[in-house]
Formats: sequence, C-alpha cells, structure tokens
Amino acid sequence: DIVMTQSPDSLAVSLGERATINCKSSQSVLYSSNNKNYLAWYQQKPGQPPKLLIYWASTRESGVPDRFSGSGSGTDFTLTISSLQAEDVAIYYCQQYYSSPFTFGPGTKVDIK
Amino acid sequence: EVQLLESGGGLVQPGGSLRLSCEASGFTFSTYAMSWVRQAPGKGLEWVSVICGSDDTTYYADSVRGRFTVSRDNSKNTLYLQMYSLRAEDTAIYYCAKTTSSTCNGGMQYWGQGTLVTVSS
Repeated sequence: DIVMTQSPDSLAVSLGERATINCKSSQSVLYSSNNKNYLAWYQQKPGQPPKLLIYWASTRESGVPDRFSGSGSGTDFTLTISSLQAEDVAIYYCQQYYSSPFTFGPGTKVDIK
Repeated sequence: EVQLLESGGGLVQPGGSLRLSCEASGFTFSTYAMSWVRQAPGKGLEWVSVICGSDDTTYYADSVRGRFTVSRDNSKNTLYLQMYSLRAEDTAIYYCAKTTSSTCNGGMQYWGQGTLVTVSS
C-alpha cells in the first residue's frame, strides 16, 4: 500500500500570508505513460464533507480560487495558499489515486495566527 | 447540479449488517466511478471502496475487504455499500463521492453530506 504523509500537522498563518503544506507518498504516483501524477488535494471545514481543490497534482478544480495551487511530482507534493483568507481555515488532505487502496494523508490543520 | 444523497446509516450491534445507499442526480451516473470514504469521529478521512464506471471493477481498503461490498444500480442512479460483520471501529460518517473519471483512478469531485453509522451494543 502507498502510505501518504503530510507536514506539518498544523500551521497558523497571518491573514494575507502564504501557507504551504507538504505531502509525501511512500512510492511514486507518477504514471509514466501519461506523465500524470495521481494526486489530489481536499479541503474540509468543520461539519462539512471534503471539497476537491486540486487533482493531477496541479490542476485546480473549477471554481477554486487561484490562490490555491498544487505542485510537485513523483513522491513529493505541495499545496500552497498564496494569500490566506479567513475562509481558508480548514483541514487539508492529500490523496493518491495511483493504486488501490487510494490512501489519504493524515491531514494538516490550517488556522489564522 | 450534481447531488449525492446518502441514506441507510444508523445504530447497529457489533456483528450486524447494514446497507448504505447513495442516490445520485445531475450527471450521467453510469459513466463515472463512485467511491465510499469514511471518517470516524474526530479523525481523518479513510478511503473505503470504489466501483469503476467503465467496467464495474471494484476495489476495497484492507480494513473492509471481505466484509463490505460496493455495487451500483445504474437504472436507479444509486450506489450501495453492503456492510457485514460490523465492528466498533467501523463507526464513522460514510460519504459517497463521484470521481472525475470513468476509471477508478480519479479525484473525488463531488461529495454527499454523509450518513452516520454507529456500531455499538
């Protein structure tokens, strides 16, 4: 099974500042035949289901603000919130869908400093 | 508008069974892979199962394989999760989700609000 890890466990960022979340997979999730990374990012706010932010590691889902961006390849990935807004307070999860079981990372909690 | 409505959750005794349903609307249900994801109280997300849209292939998490069965009825636009031999550790909110793809390898684009399963005597 592919194990997903995230760092940090939590972070507090001032409004308007950058937030960076890291995600690492225990093996590559890059499929060589199509050069796509099978990696998604989700945002979950309290009492709500998760929301897809990014898929294929860097493709922003429709309607997601452009302050959210994803990068990385192979085993190391990053979700960046370029200018943190109050509504971005949430837990963020990465997930690989390269091979079953399609595991999630443990989550990173983002708060306002 | 895509909508996913889960039902069937509730209180069940250890060793019992339950069937969850997820009624879908707003998209061509048969075309897409559909997943189940659960979240134990105060915990993170755990992927449970997926059924592909292309050929109905199914996959399961190690923790539920052999006890849970995912299926779909495309004529009713409904996804199911049949759960047997339930354990206390299966207590969670169960979400169904539509993937971005007909294959099983896709991000989960739309989510239902979830249904709570509680396994307790």
